[in-house]
Amino acid sequence: GAGVSQSPRYKVAKRGQDVALRCDPISGHVSLFWYQQALGQGPEFLTYFQNEAQLDKSGLPSDRFFAERPEGSVSTLKIQRTQQEDSAVYLCASNDPRGDSGANVLTFGAGSRLTVL
Amino acid sequence: AQSVTQPDIHITVSEGASLELRCNYSYGATPYLFWYVQSPGQGLQLLLKYFSGDTLVQGIKGFEAEFKRSQSSFNLRKPSVHWSDAAEYFCAVGYNTDKLIFGTGTRLQVFP
Repeated sequence: GAGVSQSPRYKVAKRGQDVALRCDPISGHVSLFWYQQALGQGPEFLTYFQNEAQLDKSGLPSDRFFAERPEGSVSTLKIQRTQQEDSAVYLCASNDPRGDSGANVLTFGAGSRLTVL
Repeated sequence: AQSVTQPDIHITVSEGASLELRCNYSYGATPYLFWYVQSPGQGLQLLLKYFSGDTLVQGIKGFEAEFKRSQSSFNLRKPSVHWSDAAEYFCAVGYNTDKLIFGTGTRLQVFP
């Protein structure tokens, strides 16, 4: 597609529920990133994929957070047994380090806003 | 540790006035530097970037930024602000890992 698409845009979950957030990156972009943006804060890195390989998951805050990209395109961020502190906007970004812009130029989606009650 | 500091949480300017948003970073080497803008309910849009070369970089929407190595700064400027510039602005640094580190953001409010 023309941009990075994320769904759902808004999700309300009761504490303890599992949630799944989807990211559809720009077609052909090999790199995909997940960031977490708490209210009033800047985005914080969660995890990074190159194609289907998860190369860095150092930012995942706990083992309740899991991300996958099985076919190297669409990615899903799953949060198990959600807690109130998981409330945030989850941003997905993609890029193609082989492109003219080179590495580090990320295109972000609009985000999925998760509210845990 | 790597960090990005945006000392101004909230800035208010009149339409037509000049603007400077501050950004300082802490790292051992020269990073790649970015400014992103985020409007309410929207994702982050890249305004400009610095990788190397000329330390004054031009971006979209009339913004520019200057990299000053001696001050570890990358301040964003615009000579004349428009009401549509009201948004949250984020400075970020990145390295070969492609992992960006963001500042906490500066909220810009523009009065007519």
